[in-house]
Amino acid sequence: GAVVSQHPSRVICKSGTSVKIECRSLDFQATTMFWYRQFPKQSLMLMATSNEGSKATYEQGVEKDKFLINHASLTLSTLTVTSAHPEDSSFYICSASRDSQTDTQYFGPGTRLTVL
Amino acid sequence: DAKTTQPNSMESNEEEPVHLPCNHSTISGTDYIHWYRQLPSQGPEYVIHGLTSNVNNRMASLAIAEDRKSSTLILHRATLRDAAVYYCILSGGYQKVTFGIGTKLQVIP
Repeated sequence: GAVVSQHPSRVICKSGTSVKIECRSLDFQATTMFWYRQFPKQSLMLMATSNEGSKATYEQGVEKDKFLINHASLTLSTLTVTSAHPEDSSFYICSASRDSQTDTQYFGPGTRLTVL
Repeated sequence: DAKTTQPNSMESNEEEPVHLPCNHSTISGTDYIHWYRQLPSQGPEYVIHGLTSNVNNRMASLAIAEDRKSSTLILHRATLRDAAVYYCILSGGYQKVTFGIGTKLQVIP
């Protein structure tokens, strides 16, 4: 158990367009979902934390108006990159936690975003 | 943020045990020690976690020092599929999770 999916796995878009990435916990209800960004040869950088029905908590330096997070249900969170630019090209990874005491995270497979 | 330190890289021969160390000298009483691993172009995979006692699962064992300031992930018989970046993370109790650079494990056939 504890499977997390992401869609799409890969997306290429033109500069100025918006891209939506979905993250789903397939076999459990997630109390918390996390969104990360990873640049080549670097570690994961936490972008935001979201709880179902609540506004997301963004990390310092992450623009909440550019990276819109919607956590509509206990199994679905979406990240929308608005007005994407080439510098937003990155590997975006979500994770979900079902235990607020341990915060054990189960990660999605990631989404490779390329902005032309 | 509770932080951990790990060696940047390690090597192991295939089918030999691997001991991956992690120091977390500023760990608090409610922090759980988690290990994840990541293959290239994939999301991280949960490996194991523990609080105070040593833990075993089908993937690995986790040995936690008595003072909890360090831990060791043990892969009993390394395979080529175990080559990955291993992250040691402290989390729990709504604390922000910080990923370091992890340990890149190379498995030599």
